Amino acid sequence: DQQVKQNSPSLSVQEGRISILNCDYTNSMFDYFLWYKKYPAEGPTFLISISSIKDKNEDGRFTVFLNKSAKHLSLHIVPSQPGDSAVYFCAASASTGFQKLVFGTGTRLLVSP
Amino acid sequence: DVKVTQSSRYLVKRTGEKVFLECVQDMDHENMFWYRQDPGLGLRLIYFSYDVKMKEKGDIPEGYSVSREKKERFSLILESASTNQTSMYLCASSSGQWGSSYNSPLHFGNGTRLTVT
Repeated sequence: DQQVKQNSPSLSVQEGRISILNCDYTNSMFDYFLWYKKYPAEGPTFLISISSIKDKNEDGRFTVFLNKSAKHLSLHIVPSQPGDSAVYFCAASASTGFQKLVFGTGTRLLVSP
Repeated sequence: DVKVTQSSRYLVKRTGEKVFLECVQDMDHENMFWYRQDPGLGLRLIYFSYDVKMKEKGDIPEGYSVSREKKERFSLILESASTNQTSMYLCASSSGQWGSSYNSPLHFGNGTRLTVT
């Protein structure tokens, strides 16, 4: 039962263009969402988050959009840089109860010069 | 900056061995977690702890146990290693209450790649 889904295992983008990574979730209790970036041989690092009271959160080149009715979120990277090449994990959590993070399966982003 | 340190980057063990994976964090975080990462499966939670000597099962606890004797240290134990436990193991910590991740992102170590032959 995959509660958080990243249906695209990989994405290739040219430098300077926009990268859009998508994530869908099924549990309507989720109200806090995060994106993590992972380079090979390193642990994931926190990138950006959004709570369900917002539909957009921006941090520099990174913007996360949340569509609660569609249970969908996306991460936009503009402009994409070769250093953004990594695996991106979407994660979700609920503020009520003793809830832990649930991760998606990841999307490998390759940004070519 | 939060630092989560995993004692080994690479480990090779034989089937049936007892394996200890150690993790230390330096930010006085209440919560510590053990995940494994496998291709196509993402990160799956094995166990977590929200206080010293407290532990809770995650999604895939079978074949594993944990120990948290001190706040900064969280150990993952493979009682009798098997080949299907070959994986990347990731330790994380956070400051959220009762293990909650709400507004408390996880901080990960660099991982231990375990191979069981």
